[in-house]
Amino acid sequence: GENVEQHPSTLSVQEGDSAVIKCTYSDSASNYFPWYKQELGKRPQLIIDIRSNVGEKKDQRIAVTLNKTAKHFSLHITETQPEDSAVYFCAASATDKLIFGTGTRLQVFP
Amino acid sequence: DTAVSQTPKYLVTQMGNDKSIKCEQNLGHDTMYWYKQDSKKFLKIMFSYNNKELIINETVPNRFSPKSPDKAHLNLHINSLELGDSAVYFCASSPGPRSSYEQYFGPGTRLTVT
Repeated sequence: GENVEQHPSTLSVQEGDSAVIKCTYSDSASNYFPWYKQELGKRPQLIIDIRSNVGEKKDQRIAVTLNKTAKHFSLHITETQPEDSAVYFCAASATDKLIFGTGTRLQVFP
Repeated sequence: DTAVSQTPKYLVTQMGNDKSIKCEQNLGHDTMYWYKQDSKKFLKIMFSYNNKELIINETVPNRFSPKSPDKAHLNLHINSLELGDSAVYFCASSPGPRSSYEQYFGPGTRLTVT
């Protein structure tokens, strides 16, 4: 079955810096790759997603890239702000279910 | 106007008890899910229902029994609770059974078994 690895597990950056979180997946049939943000004590919420027919997608300060050959995808956050502090989960999907990565705790220091 | 709601928000109970968690969505979605998030924040799917029909049943102990009385509701009943069941349980919904749809999560139910 699908397996998703996510790195790093924790990431601390200064406000204004960029943050990059990387994921790899195992099932070459995976075709949908969402990213969820979970603030402390809150529910996971979708922030951006990418499908296998696209290599990159951007939404304001966040962008996601996908390398299907290497089975890698990454989340890039530019000009980080303290409110970006949260746990970020990548996920991959081939058919009927999402398999989540292990999460990255991002801390943005003012 | 809450999209996906769960009750209760917190549940503290003793080992061996039986408890239920309820979930409702008002988004008109066909598919609903139960996820378990453990203390290390791992988020793992347990069950999925599409229009009241069970379509995903992961390797979950049979002490866990989901029920979907209609497509807007999905409940989770847990028998003979164990310490290891302590976790946050999230309900989610999506427009259809394909996992390429966005999933909307409920606020979670924090279950503590003592």
